[in-house]
Parts: sequence; C-alpha cells; structure tokens
Amino acid sequence: GQNIDQPTEMTATEGAIVQINCTYQTSGFNGLFWYQQHAGEAPTFLSYNVLDGLEEKGRFSSFLSRSKGYSYLLLKELQMKDSASYLCAVRVPASGNTPLVFGKGTRLSVIA
Amino acid sequence: DVKVTQSSRYLVKRTGEKVFLECVQDMDHENMFWYRQDPGLGLRLIYFSYDVKMKEKGDIPEGYSVSREKKERFSLILESASTNQTSMYLCASRSGANVLTFGAGSRLTVL
Repeated sequence: GQNIDQPTEMTATEGAIVQINCTYQTSGFNGLFWYQQHAGEAPTFLSYNVLDGLEEKGRFSSFLSRSKGYSYLLLKELQMKDSASYLCAVRVPASGNTPLVFGKGTRLSVIA
Repeated sequence: DVKVTQSSRYLVKRTGEKVFLECVQDMDHENMFWYRQDPGLGLRLIYFSYDVKMKEKGDIPEGYSVSREKKERFSLILESASTNQTSMYLCASRSGANVLTFGAGSRLTVL
C-alpha cells in the first residue's frame, strides 16, 4: 500500500519561517509534489521534486531525500494569505500516466 | 493557462437520485481524474482516464462510474446517490507526467 504522512495542523506567526514535513512509503517513486489549497478553493501547484535536494521558488522551498522517503516545504516571511492547507503528493509507480497519491494535508494557520 | 471547468459548484440531491458531475478541460490533456475530498481523509482517487473511452478505477470506485466520450470532457456519475457520497468532488487534468490542474470543485450534498 501507499502511505503519506504529514502533520494535521500547524500554527505560525506572520513574518516567521515554517517547515511542513512529509514522509512517504510507496511502492515506487517518480516525483513529489506540493500543492496549496485555500479553504473552499481548488488545490494549486507549488513545487515538484524528483531528485534529492532543495528547490527554491521565491518565499517557498521544497526539499527531497529519496533515501529517507522524506520531503519538506519551507515557507519564509510568512504572510496572512499563506493560511491554507498544504498537500504532499507522490507519483507512483515510476512511469506512465499514473495518478498522484495525496497525503491528508497540513492546515497552516498564520497568526499576527 | 489551463482551465478545468466543473459545471456545478454546489448541488443538493436526494438519496437514490442519479447525479452527473461534468468536467471540461481546454488544453487537450490526455489524462483526467476525479477525486473526492473529505475532512480528515484528504484527496482520494475515484476514477481516472488516460484516453478517450478509457477508464481506470482509483482507490474508491464503488458507487461511481465515469464517461469519457470526448477528450476534453470527463463525467462522474452516481447511479443512485447515498448520503455517504456527500463530499467535495474535484476534477483534474494533466498532460503526460506533468502537473495536475484542478477544477474549482463541486460540493455535493445528498439528503
């Protein structure tokens, strides 16, 4: 089976840095995605990692360690608008048109 | 930008009714997906399609069927709606191995 774990909820202060972790145990691996979902809206793509290391995109960075089955999403200079759910998703198996397997999401609350 | 359009944002149906949820994408994507999203359970895959008239079961296909008669349109059908199918339904499309693009969602309530 496929298992993707991430914390259910996190709270952080405006202007701070927050790290959202994701661990996965899957039957194959061909990339890890992070999506952001504001309440009542569709998920939107944030980042994609397929090789080990850090991918930086503005205030958001995502890290992957395939040997550890581990990823994190790092959000810097938090803003109130970053309050949302963050979804970790893995593509399995290693090729083809297979769908993503999603974690249950981490609801981030940014407070003043 | 890719646009994925779901025909209804909110629906209220009665138990036993047949329900159609329509999804249309405008970027000639081969792959289309239907997920449902429930609190505490996350996104779960119902069905997906990688070509016209092709369909594959996802993790929770029971109680659902799908139709892909044209490349741009992927319909989810609840033959006889039940209260446990009250949920947010999300359609998504993708070209090959690329990023999933989601529609705005259809919130279905079954009474």
